[in-house]
Amino acid sequence: GNSVTQMEGPVTLSEEAFLTINCTYTATGYPSLFWYVQYPGEGLQLLLKATKADDKGSNKGFEATYRKETTSFHLEKGSVQVSDSAVYFCALIMKTSYDKVIFGPGTSLSVIP
Amino acid sequence: EAGVVQSPRYKIIEKKQPVAFWCNPISGHNTLYWYRQNLGQGPELLIRYENEEAVDDSQLPKDRFSAERLKGVDSTLKIQPAELGDSAVYLCASTGEPGNTIYFGEGSWLTVV
Repeated sequence: GNSVTQMEGPVTLSEEAFLTINCTYTATGYPSLFWYVQYPGEGLQLLLKATKADDKGSNKGFEATYRKETTSFHLEKGSVQVSDSAVYFCALIMKTSYDKVIFGPGTSLSVIP
Repeated sequence: EAGVVQSPRYKIIEKKQPVAFWCNPISGHNTLYWYRQNLGQGPELLIRYENEEAVDDSQLPKDRFSAERLKGVDSTLKIQPAELGDSAVYLCASTGEPGNTIYFGEGSWLTVV
């Protein structure tokens, strides 16, 4: 079946550090890939997405590239801020049906001043 | 454009009591999802609607959980009777096209004591 794997957290970084959160997926076919972010006490918000191989999603300084050859969608940011502290979820959905979104377990990020 | 609206935001109830959550999806979105998110985990699908039809309710604990979407727009999720293990965030989400972005509400945070 389809699944998403993320690096385990929690991740703690100093402000302005470089961030990478690894995400790999298993899917029968070619899914759309997403990163969602959940700030403390809030619901899930779409951060970025990519719908086909080699697409790069970007938003708020975050980037992720859809790599079909490595089945990966790693999240990166060049300089994190305290306000980036949140839980980040990698997710996939198959494009051919109204299927459920399959989420990874989430990676908690804490950025300290 | 209004996002997915959920209510109540927070609910504390005693075990064995009933509770209901309401969701209004984004206008025009025919597909509606209810997810449950336990603390420190990713969301898990409970039920998916296409218009008023429940097309995937395989993960819904039908002995105590029920859901409806009578007119294909708003939806309610009910738990009766609630158990301690039902404490979680209940997320509603909607989408308009297959494989497209799924938008989440802020969630209804349930605590069963």
